Parts: sequence; structure tokens; C-alpha cells
Amino acid sequence: NAGVTQTPKFQVLKTGQSMTLQCAQDMNHEYMSWYRQDPGMGLRLIHYSVGAGITDQGEVPNGYNVSRSTTEDFPLRLLSAAPSQTSVYFCASSTLQGISSPLHFGNGTRLTVT
Amino acid sequence: AQKVTQAQTEISVVEKEDVTLDCVYETRDTTYYLFWYKQPPSGELVFLIRRNSFDEQNEISGRYSWNFQKSTSSFNFTITASQVVDSAVYFCALSEAKSGNTPLVFGKGTRLSVIA
Repeated sequence: NAGVTQTPKFQVLKTGQSMTLQCAQDMNHEYMSWYRQDPGMGLRLIHYSVGAGITDQGEVPNGYNVSRSTTEDFPLRLLSAAPSQTSVYFCASSTLQGISSPLHFGNGTRLTVT
Repeated sequence: AQKVTQAQTEISVVEKEDVTLDCVYETRDTTYYLFWYKQPPSGELVFLIRRNSFDEQNEISGRYSWNFQKSTSSFNFTITASQVVDSAVYFCALSEAKSGNTPLVFGKGTRLSVIA
């Protein structure tokens, strides 16, 4: 059981570079989301999706893009990385569009922007 | 708007002590769901419990228990006879069940250190 798989585990970027954080789940979950975790801030929602072709913004969407072309994949794109985007990123998925079902989390991607 | 407050940033206890982690939530919805997650030092997020707003019964699972009180908008988590393996960051979270799809909102977490 792979569950939610995030790649890479670690990444260092220079300011202005772009990259994509990958997230894939094999549980046929409709709902997928991206959170960032910063010290003292808890988990803050970046973007989420309730199904293929549907995405919406969370609490902190600026600087990030997402797309959902398939049920399985939900990549997070940083178009021009900034030091403020240094964080640990978690992808999560669930059934029932996240309302009442527990989220299944990936193991996180630790991103450092210098 | 929904909000979760975990006022305790860090707690330190000696092994075998009982400890309660506080969670206070705000919502205008009458139907909502409350969750607790654990994040051990290894970093993964582990689901512990889900409770819906219509079920105020307390729940016990081994050394873990949860006290849900709508009157005070609280969903507190107690660990009895704490162990070193309980050392982790614990997050309380809330999801409203209004029309549409309301994502999970997390508190800022409480870091629990259990000292041997």
C-alpha cells in the first residue's frame, strides 16, 4: 500500500527558480490538498481539489499553482521561488471530499529557498 | 469562519504523568467534524480520532481519551500515564459540513515532551 507519495523528500532552490512538488495517491480519493508547515504556524492550506479538473485556493495560495488532470496526481508548482516559501510541504488526500473523512498524508517535502 | 486554537504551545511532563492537550474551536455551522493528529519526531502526520458535532460522547482508546464539550466549544485530548513514545506535536483540526467542500483547518499544534 503506497498511500500518498510525495517527491522529492528534500529540495534546495535558489530564489527565482521554479519547481514542481509531486503528489500521487493510489486510493482513488476524490479529495486532495496541499499544506505547508512552518514553525509555530501549524498546517496552513495552500490549494485543494475535490476531483479531476477542479481546484480551489486555500488560506495561503500566493506563489503556488496546482492542477488536477487525473484523480491520482496533484502537483504543486512554485513558479518563482522565494525564501518565504522555505517550509515543509504536505500533500493529503481523502474520500468524501475531505469533509468528514480523515486525511491521509504523505511524508512531506522539505524545501529550502536560498 | 472556522478557527482552531491550541493555546498550549509546548508541554513537558515526566513519564507516567497524565497530560491534557486543549483545543478550542470556532464555527458557525451546526454540523462539523473535529480531528486530532499526531506528528512524531519522524515527521509524518498520523490520524488519531474524528468526532462529529452530534456525538458528544467521550471516547477512550487505550491511554488516550477525548472530551468533546459543545457548550465550551472544546475538544480536549488526555493521555493517561504518558510514555516517552507520546512525545510529538499534536494538532487539533476542524472541518465544517456546509454546502460545498470545506477543507480541514488546523490549530498551531502543541508540542508534548515526555521525559523519562
